[in-house]
Amino acid sequence: ETGVTQTPRHLVMGMTNKKSLKCEQHLGHNAMYWYKQSAKKPLELMFVYNFKEQTENNSVPSRFSPECPNSSHLFLHLHTLQPEDSALYLCASSQEGTPTNEKLFFGSGTQLSVL
Amino acid sequence: GNSVTQMEGPVTLSEEAFLTINCTYTATGYPSLFWYVQYPGEGLQLLLKATKADDKGSNKGFEATYRKETTSFHLEKGSVQVSDSAVYFCALRRGGSEKLVFGKGTKLTVNP
Repeated sequence: ETGVTQTPRHLVMGMTNKKSLKCEQHLGHNAMYWYKQSAKKPLELMFVYNFKEQTENNSVPSRFSPECPNSSHLFLHLHTLQPEDSALYLCASSQEGTPTNEKLFFGSGTQLSVL
Repeated sequence: GNSVTQMEGPVTLSEEAFLTINCTYTATGYPSLFWYVQYPGEGLQLLLKATKADDKGSNKGFEATYRKETTSFHLEKGSVQVSDSAVYFCALRRGGSEKLVFGKGTKLTVNP
């Protein structure tokens, strides 16, 4: 148990559906991240939130919309996805501004399949 | 820009074999280097790290030495177990305000 919980674990959706991924961290961290993990590709950083403010958006298509209502919760809203968006979506958290800020704590991920 | 290159997998070994997974990096300055491990059905976990040249990170029998002259951070273990079967990611971070850069991952399967 890493202290970062993601739901659902698996999600199958059609291209016209709207769904949301949820992440919750119980570690008191001040930064949260969304990563995309696809086969045979490096882990792709999608979004970063520091103190609930989005500090990074790595050219992610607008069909992915993040939301961070507080420092413990992070959502990824999905709309009109494409089959190539099928991947494992990982949430992570860290404590920025401390000597241990290099360590990310990851959730188990949501395996997304877009049909 | 900053990047990490690790050996293509998958790697398949028998129990008690010696493991090496190669990792080289490109970065300006003096990055910190990491190995993360992802067990089946789980997220990534930090396995070990090294923050300066010649540092050796170690954990659970795994070791990696920060070699600035060869810009490498190869992961080694003298005797692998079935429970070491996982995907291993090499990563770097250049400074406190920058984000981790990951390699593509190397899948290791250890057979009994």
